[in-house]
Amino acid sequence: GENVEQHPSTLSVQEGDSAVIKCTYSDSASNYFPWYKQELGKGPQLIIDIRSNVGEKKDQRIAVTLNKTAKHFSLHITETQPEDSAVYFCAAVGARDSSYKLIFGSGTRLLVRP
Amino acid sequence: NAGVMQNPRHLVRRRGQEARLRCSPMKGHSHVYWYRQLPEEGLKFMVYLQKENIIDESGMPKERFSAEFPKEGPSILRIQQVVRGDSAAYFCASSPPTGVANEKLFFGSGTQLSVL
Repeated sequence: GENVEQHPSTLSVQEGDSAVIKCTYSDSASNYFPWYKQELGKGPQLIIDIRSNVGEKKDQRIAVTLNKTAKHFSLHITETQPEDSAVYFCAAVGARDSSYKLIFGSGTRLLVRP
Repeated sequence: NAGVMQNPRHLVRRRGQEARLRCSPMKGHSHVYWYRQLPEEGLKFMVYLQKENIIDESGMPKERFSAEFPKEGPSILRIQQVVRGDSAAYFCASSPPTGVANEKLFFGSGTQLSVL
């Protein structure tokens, strides 16, 4: 089945710097890749997503890139702010016959230092 | 428009007791999913339900765990005879009936189950 790996597990950046989180997936049939932000004591919140027919998507300070050939996708946060500190999860939709089943990476704890 | 509502937020049970976790999806959503999160790990799919139907329970242990989403009322995840290994955060998510299922998932705040 699908497997999603995420790196790094922790990331510390200075306020204003950029942060990049990378994920790889194993199932070439996967076609939907969302990113979630989870703050302490809360549920994951969808922050951006991308489909396999698109290579890049931006939403203000957040962007996601997808390389289907290499089967990896990345989250880019520019001009980081302290409120960006949280755990970020990438995910991929599983195999064709279970497209409703999100497979999550293990998470990246982002700390933005003021 | 209220989001996905889960209760209780925290649930403490002793080994052998039953745990019942409730989830009310967002208004207009008819698809409900339950995920489990262990400390320092990502979420793991458990079960996918539509009103009165279990669509996929492949991620849910076959024994002691059950889920339902009745015509009226919230979805319920039930864990019988809990063991310490059941301690985790359980998240419910919902999605609208139109379009591809499981996209644009909206998660609740979760129920933290602690088994003593």
